[in-house]
Amino acid sequence: DTEVTQTPKHLVMGMTNKKSLKCEQHMGHRAMYWYKQKAKKPPELMFVYSYEKLSINESVPSRFSPECPNSSLLNLHLHALQPEDSALYLCASSHLTGDNYEQYFGPGTRLTVT
Amino acid sequence: TQLLEQSPQFLSIQEGENLTVYCNSSSVFSSLQWYRQEPGEGPVLLVTVVTGGEVKKLKRLTFQFGDARKDSSLHITAAQPGDTGLYLCAGNAGNNRKLIWGLGTSLAVNP
Repeated sequence: DTEVTQTPKHLVMGMTNKKSLKCEQHMGHRAMYWYKQKAKKPPELMFVYSYEKLSINESVPSRFSPECPNSSLLNLHLHALQPEDSALYLCASSHLTGDNYEQYFGPGTRLTVT
Repeated sequence: TQLLEQSPQFLSIQEGENLTVYCNSSSVFSSLQWYRQEPGEGPVLLVTVVTGGEVKKLKRLTFQFGDARKDSSLHITAAQPGDTGLYLCAGNAGNNRKLIWGLGTSLAVNP
């Protein structure tokens, strides 16, 4: 099973709202990622978790707060977002050992900030 | 700065035509992945190439990794409307799990 699931599929939120994006994988991967993607552009890395610990933060604004409760789950907490944060948010996972760098992506959450 | 230059950026062809997409870099990659993405969906992994000179085939798609592991190509034979999408190459040049992405090729195959 190479499936990564994400909820919700679509999210509309105001600039004062607090919401969370959720991601789950059951492939035994110990690396999980959050990406932001604008239309017809490549994904931009936001965060990487390795063995449930934050290993990479690509200088993301603090209004985005990641959380990895366990090896299968990844959350992204959103607060006080700006309209320019509207994008497709992608979760991905991969193995951490060996030379296999393949990342498997979820279907994404389409976020609109009003 | 490590870059992965992908070309062409846009491609619109008729059903049945052949096409090739290129990813080039001055950096050596330990592995390179090709993804296909449809609008509003996540990228789907098509193939991973790891050995210089490697050729992999997936039905009508042929992927090649350059001998020096600095470049790769994707060739589609007899394109079909179902091949329409954004094709992305992504490579790993280190061991920190960060992928370096090409800018993507937006392919439209017209019936």
